[in-house]
Amino acid sequence: NAGVTQTPKFRVLKTGQSMTLLCAQDMNHEYMYWYRQDPGMGLRLIHYSVGEGTTAKGEVPDGYNVSRLKKQNFLLGLESAAPSQTSVYFCASSYGGQGTGREAFFGQGTRLTVV
Amino acid sequence: RKEVEQDPGPFNVPEGATVAFNCTYSNSASQSFFWYRQDCRKEPKLLMSVYSSGNEDGRFTAQLNRASQYISLLIRDSKLSDSATYLCVVRGDSNYQLIWGAGTKLIIKP
Repeated sequence: NAGVTQTPKFRVLKTGQSMTLLCAQDMNHEYMYWYRQDPGMGLRLIHYSVGEGTTAKGEVPDGYNVSRLKKQNFLLGLESAAPSQTSVYFCASSYGGQGTGREAFFGQGTRLTVV
Repeated sequence: RKEVEQDPGPFNVPEGATVAFNCTYSNSASQSFFWYRQDCRKEPKLLMSVYSSGNEDGRFTAQLNRASQYISLLIRDSKLSDSATYLCVVRGDSNYQLIWGAGTKLIIKP
C-alpha cells in the first residue's frame, strides 16, 4: 500500500545546483500538489496539477518548475537552488480538489538544505 | 494579519484531560474547514472536516463559529498518542487552494 512516495527523502545542494524531486502516487488521483513547509509557517502551495499534462502556479511558484507527463507522477524542479529554498517539501494527491473536502494524501516529505 | 492563525503552543496536558484549541481565519467567505494532524517529522494527515453544525469523531469534536470566524478542536480523555501538531486548514478562493495554519503543538504527559 504505497500511497504517495517521494524521492529523495533528504538532499543537500550547493547554491546554484539543480535537482528534481519525484512524487509518485498509486491511487489514480487526478489532483497533485507540491507544498513547502517552513518553521513557524503553514504549508504553502508551490504548484499543483488537476490532471495529466496540466500544471498551475500556487502561492509561491518562483524558482520552481513542475511537470505532470504521467498521471501518477508529479515532478518538482529547482533550476538554480538558493538558500531560501531550504525547506521540507511535501507532495500530496487527492481524488477531487482539496477545497471540496476530498482528503489530500501526503508523501513523507523531502528535507532539502541549500548551502 | 495571517489568513489562518493558531496558537503555536505547546500545550502540555496530562493524560486523560480534556484540551481545546482554536483557530481564527480572516476570509469570511471561506466554505470548507479541516483539522489535520502532523506527527514530528512526518507528513500531515486529515483528522476531520469541520461542518457548520459541528461534528464529532470519537474523542474529537470540531466546531465552527462563522460569526467570530474561528474553528475549534476539542480532545477528550487525551492519550499519549494524541501528542502531535494540529494544523488548521481553510479553503481558499478555489477548490484547489487550501490555506494552512502553522499548527498548535500538543504534548500529552503521563
